[in-house]
Amino acid sequence: DGGITQSPKYLFRKEGQNVTLSCEQNLNHDAMYWYRQDPGQGLRLIYYSQIVNDFQKGDIAEGYSVSREKKESFPLTVTSAQKNPTAFYLCASSPRSGSSDTQYFGPGTRLTVL
Amino acid sequence: AQSVTQPDIHITVSEGASLELRCNYSYGATPYLFWYVQSPGQGLQLLLKYFSGDTLVQGIKGFEAEFKRSQSSFNLRKPSVHWSDAAEYFCAVGGGDMRFGAGTRLTVKP
Repeated sequence: DGGITQSPKYLFRKEGQNVTLSCEQNLNHDAMYWYRQDPGQGLRLIYYSQIVNDFQKGDIAEGYSVSREKKESFPLTVTSAQKNPTAFYLCASSPRSGSSDTQYFGPGTRLTVL
Repeated sequence: AQSVTQPDIHITVSEGASLELRCNYSYGATPYLFWYVQSPGQGLQLLLKYFSGDTLVQGIKGFEAEFKRSQSSFNLRKPSVHWSDAAEYFCAVGGGDMRFGAGTRLTVKP
């Protein structure tokens, strides 16, 4: 089965702790993305990666970090510098990063910071 | 810069009634347009996409969308809504630098 997996589905952390969200794809896609979703605001791009060992900031990268050491994996770390981290996080991938490339989404991780 | 507007935050329709969800885009060249659906607590599923050619695009689950360049619109339609269509719907423009609308939440009345 080809697809994108995100783990865990629900994550709870205390304020001030860093937390890492996992995203894995077996679609052999070059590009991967992280979005944050808040009610009524649609999806906002945090980071994206077009190839291994390369990534770029999106619109709301402050307080987040990523790595892309393998083609299949694009983990997102929510650091203690992120002022309001409670949200639904979605990972996506696409064959490349062109305008015509369809993005395919994982099931999401809901992060709650207590 | 490309952008998408979905004017309706929430729409309620009766089961069996027709549906139209509005989407307006801003894009400098020929747009690549997408509609996604999201069930509560889930990821986004692609319904359909427009790249070029026929302006009426057919998608999954009986949905279709019409691209109208003169109106900068890409509205999603379904002739007869089912209770299982209740979800949030997102219009998006572009691909690599995809921009999403804020979404329209669809409620289906029995």
